[in-house]
Amino acid sequence: DAGVIQSPRHEVTEMGQEVTLRCKPISGHNSLFWYRQTMMRGLELLIYFNNNVPIDDSGMPEDRFSAKMPNASFSTLKIQPSEPRDSAVYFCASTLGGADTEAFFGQGTRLTVV
Amino acid sequence: SQQGEEDPQALSIQEGENATMNCSYKTSINNLQWYRQNSGRGLVHLILIRSNEREKHSGRLRVTLDTSKKSSSLLITASRAADTASYFCATDADSGYSTLTFGKGTMLLVSP
Repeated sequence: DAGVIQSPRHEVTEMGQEVTLRCKPISGHNSLFWYRQTMMRGLELLIYFNNNVPIDDSGMPEDRFSAKMPNASFSTLKIQPSEPRDSAVYFCASTLGGADTEAFFGQGTRLTVV
Repeated sequence: SQQGEEDPQALSIQEGENATMNCSYKTSINNLQWYRQNSGRGLVHLILIRSNEREKHSGRLRVTLDTSKKSSSLLITASRAADTASYFCATDADSGYSTLTFGKGTMLLVSP
């Protein structure tokens, strides 16, 4: 397996534009996590899916953020409209069994909103 | 919110020395994990220790867990320049959800 795949690796966009980040988890994994990493706030959990169902989205900062997992092999995180303070590295991770097993991380998407 | 908090925030040592990083957490857990992150890369899993375990080893890594003090430590023995990275602890926060929350990490610099 190629591991968790995220795209794009880098995204630069203007304030107010819509941004869509994509994640392909490892085949067979039933849990998927989206994280945001900044120097100030560290790694923040945004949302957790189990068997494609959002279980905990309490970390989603505001209504501008939304996430979907239409099937077991694909998830998106959308920001609309984007703001400069959304600039961060966004990571996707998948596991075989929630937080009870090893998490495999993608390489991240570095988002810059200007 | 962060469940785990690592200490120290930064650590600088010479090759061959041991490095010890600590993690404290707030609520009951089922397990605690340690991860490493090289600059600009995703996190890589190092070791998982369950709440009924007190110590675990993996190569040059030794992890301890004290649930009464809600703390864990990661010891890297005979460090190498390649160990330079940030190290994070993660807990599953026994809240009913099986989520995985991370601390802010310890930045380790190993000089040749």
